[in-house]
Amino acid sequence: EVQLVESGGGLVQPGGSLRLSCAASGFTFSDHHMDWVRQAPGKGLEWVGLIRNKADSHTTEYAASVKGRFTMSRDDSKNSLYLQMNSLKIEDTAIYYCARVPRGKGVDYWGQGTLVTVSP
Amino acid sequence: QSVLTQPPSASGTPGQRVTISCSGSSSNIGSSIVNWYQQLPGTAPKLLIYINDQRPSGVPDRFSGSKSGTSASLAISGLQSEDEADYYCAAWDASLNGRVFGGGTKLTVL
Repeated sequence: EVQLVESGGGLVQPGGSLRLSCAASGFTFSDHHMDWVRQAPGKGLEWVGLIRNKADSHTTEYAASVKGRFTMSRDDSKNSLYLQMNSLKIEDTAIYYCARVPRGKGVDYWGQGTLVTVSP
Repeated sequence: QSVLTQPPSASGTPGQRVTISCSGSSSNIGSSIVNWYQQLPGTAPKLLIYINDQRPSGVPDRFSGSKSGTSASLAISGLQSEDEADYYCAAWDASLNGRVFGGGTKLTVL
């Protein structure tokens, strides 16, 4: 069974940093691209970024709203995905989901999400 | 505003058929696969349709997807109360070099 479990969310002040983690199980993590997607309270889904698999050199893509502030990384030996968030803004407040991206199929499985609140 | 355009709301009575549209452009829907997701209140999104019209195992055949040009649609037939949820379309945008989502459609079963 595919499982994605996010952790690391919490309350942080504007300008602060936070590192989210996503533990994957039930599939060959190293074979898959992975996304982070966020959802502000009461709002729709917003793509944050993508990190490709080893075969595609772990290259990354980011949404314009987070580029230069957020960094995605992964440790295939630990089946883990990370999101380093710096220079956080109030508008970054959201539930952050990690999601699996089989090649050519878009996002299929989602984690349950972790809440990040940016507030003074 | 979202890159993909969906109606903010839709509704129907039990047993009815409803359709939710998703409009994009040549850089996203026109050149990419479309997926649809269902998000029940307080839960994570769940894959409903992938690669335009494919249903994952476990998704009832009441749900169907289609794509034509720069638009896609999700149809739900035999509407049930448990279908009340938010529905999102998604595609890769080659110009933005990123994934784009529709703004979401809140489906109400009357």
